[in-house]
Amino acid sequence: DADVTQTPRNRITKTGKRIMLECSQTKGHDRMYWYRQDPGLGLRLIYYSFDVKDINKGEISDGYSVSRQAQAKFSLSLESAIPNQTALYFCATSDWESASGTGGYTFGSGTRLTVV
Amino acid sequence: RKEVEQDPGPFNVPEGATVAFNCTYSNSASQSFFWYRQDCRKEPKLLMSVYSSGNEDGRFTAQLNRASQYISLLIRDSKLSDSATYLCVVNKAGSGNTGKLIFGQGTTLQVKP
Repeated sequence: DADVTQTPRNRITKTGKRIMLECSQTKGHDRMYWYRQDPGLGLRLIYYSFDVKDINKGEISDGYSVSRQAQAKFSLSLESAIPNQTALYFCATSDWESASGTGGYTFGSGTRLTVV
Repeated sequence: RKEVEQDPGPFNVPEGATVAFNCTYSNSASQSFFWYRQDCRKEPKLLMSVYSSGNEDGRFTAQLNRASQYISLLIRDSKLSDSATYLCVVNKAGSGNTGKLIFGQGTTLQVKP
């Protein structure tokens, strides 16, 4: 099994629908992140969480919300999806040492979301 | 100005060629630097860290110039399997050590037979 699992892998949804992307990890890491990737823009941070009671906005949080249900689970919601949220979404995890020193983020395989 | 800037390429090179990618970062307080590799539609994976003294891992050499806020990656004897997008990554500096990474948009390499 993968260390970081994202579901679903692919999703097509309609404008205005609520959708949740889920992420779970078996790394035992305390830090979890949600990124989106668009061609030419690279990876942009949406939200991050350093532990279960800690939620922080990233650079592009508008239109998104998150929930850290447990240390191992971090979900991303689009309350009312719009077409410009069509992107590849990645969940990532780290601990303090890997994030600060060794750059060791572990990424999930990604969710390809299309909003029509 | 973007926090981390890379030439997006694409770089098209023949097998066996040497190719170099460059990256600049804006925050002089940044402390940690990395190169990630991302294959098409796959997740990014850590390729190597970048140390002040420069470091080498097989055919890959990374260099850091703090004065110019510049990072480089050199690939020697390119293989077809090196075709991918290479992401320059910098630890976000700030109060304390937040541990957040800032990703460049990536440089695409295509190695041709």
